[in-house]
Amino acid sequence: EIVMTQSPATLSVSPGERATLSCRASQSVSSNLAWYQQKPGQAPRLLIYGASTRATGIPARFSGSGSGTEFTLTISSLQSEDFAVYYCQQYNNWPPELTFGGGTKVEIK
Amino acid sequence: QVQLQESGPGLVKPSQTLSLTCTVSGGSISSGGYYWSWIRQHPGKGLEWIGYIYYSGSTYYNPSLKSRVTISVDTSKNQFSLKLSSVTAADTAVYYCARAELANPVDYWGQGTLVTVSS
Repeated sequence: EIVMTQSPATLSVSPGERATLSCRASQSVSSNLAWYQQKPGQAPRLLIYGASTRATGIPARFSGSGSGTEFTLTISSLQSEDFAVYYCQQYNNWPPELTFGGGTKVEIK
Repeated sequence: QVQLQESGPGLVKPSQTLSLTCTVSGGSISSGGYYWSWIRQHPGKGLEWIGYIYYSGSTYYNPSLKSRVTISVDTSKNQFSLKLSSVTAADTAVYYCARAELANPVDYWGQGTLVTVSS
């Protein structure tokens, strides 16, 4: 099983600042990495797939990078609606294997 | 626009079987190409993939839950279902149904339904 590790667990950022979130895979997942945003009481929303491709309707302030085992999600200038929990997900062995990271909570500083 | 909607009891007694159904609209399960999954989230915790079913009926389950999980599909109703047996308080979670294409991430999610295991 591929284990996904996200850091930090919590990130305190002021509105307008840049946020950088990390995700590490226990073995290479190539570019088969997605990022999701989840707000309280809501299902996750797909932000990024293929490590760096924004999903439909996702603002350009969200960007993803990386390949292999190291990945980054960057939010260039945090807006109020961006404070949420972010999860990475690998789908390199999908099907059948599909695993999520533990999440990073982005909170207001 | 594909939509998924979970339904089922919100309260299940310990040792009983949790049963949920996901109704898909805006797309046909039997058209193929997609893997229909169940994913859960314990309160305040991360996401755990439970398993998937393909329209043909082929399934795959998370090894940690495999002995207790059954996922089935009813293409005539455009639904798929989850059964989790011998539940305990540790199975209390929000359960999501979701869709993923071959070699692609989950793109559509249901709104989620909270299932509490308690006597």
